[in-house]
Amino acid sequence: KNQVEQSPQSLIILEGKNCTLQCNYTVSPFSNLRWYKQDTGRGPVSLTIMTFSENTKSNGRYTATLDADTKQSSLHITASQLSDSASYICVVSAFGQGEKLTFGTGTRLTIIP
Amino acid sequence: NAGVTQTPKFQVLKTGQSMTLQCAQDMNHEYMSWYRQDPGMGLRLIHYSVGAGITDQGEVPNGYNVSRSTTEDFPLRLLSAAPSQTSVYFCASSHPDRESYEQYFGPGTRLTVT
Repeated sequence: KNQVEQSPQSLIILEGKNCTLQCNYTVSPFSNLRWYKQDTGRGPVSLTIMTFSENTKSNGRYTATLDADTKQSSLHITASQLSDSASYICVVSAFGQGEKLTFGTGTRLTIIP
Repeated sequence: NAGVTQTPKFQVLKTGQSMTLQCAQDMNHEYMSWYRQDPGMGLRLIHYSVGAGITDQGEVPNGYNVSRSTTEDFPLRLLSAAPSQTSVYFCASSHPDRESYEQYFGPGTRLTVT
């Protein structure tokens, strides 16, 4: 069964600091891994999508890494801003399963001034 | 482009009532999906569609029906609401590009069943 585990469940950091969120997954055969940002009361918004051949992908201050051997991914946020306060969700997709994505439960990030 | 729109934003139902959650997209996406999001759990797929006239079940389809008569619209019907269907419902759409494509989510419908 495909699974995604994220850590930590929640994180509080000071504005301007960096942080890293973790994602461990089990999926076979692996197709791609996505990171989404979900603001309170809104739908998820895509940050990055990585296939098995990519090990780093950036989107502004967000940098995702992927280690397909250890089945781990991380999302690094640089110079955090108050607007980064949100839930960050890791999602994996398996080849041949199209729309049947497996979602993690998310990391709730709070940035304090 | 409005993207993915959902109505209503909030809804309260009594047990046994039926209703339809509306979802529309104006991006000409072939793929559309319905998810529910519950506290402490990841989003779970209810039903999905890969094109007009084609629908299939996801992980948690019981108690829900869908149809896809047009590319733009993908309504979700609750046949007889139960308290276990209290959740936040998200509709998403995407354009297929082999195995790597981006999903766009609507703003969600918060449903409470009493």
